[in-house]
Amino acid sequence: AAGVIQSPRHLIKEKRETATLKCYPIPRHDTVYWYQQGPGQDPQFLISFYEKMQSDKGSIPDRFSAQQFSDYHSELNMSSLELGDSALYFCASSFGGTNEKLFFGSGTQLSVL
Amino acid sequence: EDKVVQSPLSLVVHEGDTVTLNCSYEVTNFRSLLWYKQEKKAPTFLFMLTSSGIEKKSGRLSSILDKKELFSILNITATQTGDSAIYLCAVGDSGGSNYKLTFGKGTLLTVNP
Repeated sequence: AAGVIQSPRHLIKEKRETATLKCYPIPRHDTVYWYQQGPGQDPQFLISFYEKMQSDKGSIPDRFSAQQFSDYHSELNMSSLELGDSALYFCASSFGGTNEKLFFGSGTQLSVL
Repeated sequence: EDKVVQSPLSLVVHEGDTVTLNCSYEVTNFRSLLWYKQEKKAPTFLFMLTSSGIEKKSGRLSSILDKKELFSILNITATQTGDSAIYLCAVGDSGGSNYKLTFGKGTLLTVNP
């Protein structure tokens, strides 16, 4: 069965650069969530989208922005990268904005040097 | 602010042992509690619990929720080396315009042969 696809798998950037992470939800899923997991930390909720509209916002820095496109894929744009942004970024998807069962992608490992 | 606390943080057992992982929570608008297994990357879904006292079971894994005392346990019997992973507990909050998960820091389980 198709799963949540994230790209790239690994990304290395330097401080002050920008990065774009992509997430392709499971077909027919209309809700996308972004989580950030630092080394040895629990996943922290960043932002979510339902039917292409932002539905909730967590601890997402102002330097980050995200959107969900007409095909339901989502992109997380990160600017002025800092060392502390190094983390594993997960995308999860579900069907319906209030569906609890989230399916996670394998994540994008971002390293900021 | 929603809060999820897992214990122990780390556990080392021998194959064949039985383990119990704990998760306590504080959440404003409780919707559900979920258990995930995280091996290398993506957390994989184990259980979703919404009602107290009803045990969910899948093979050697089982889980139960106590909504009065605000905790859940995950039991793994006859552990195998393949059970080695981080087990994440997450609580769903439906208080906002959408649904979001708050994760605990996880329990790192190591099963030695």
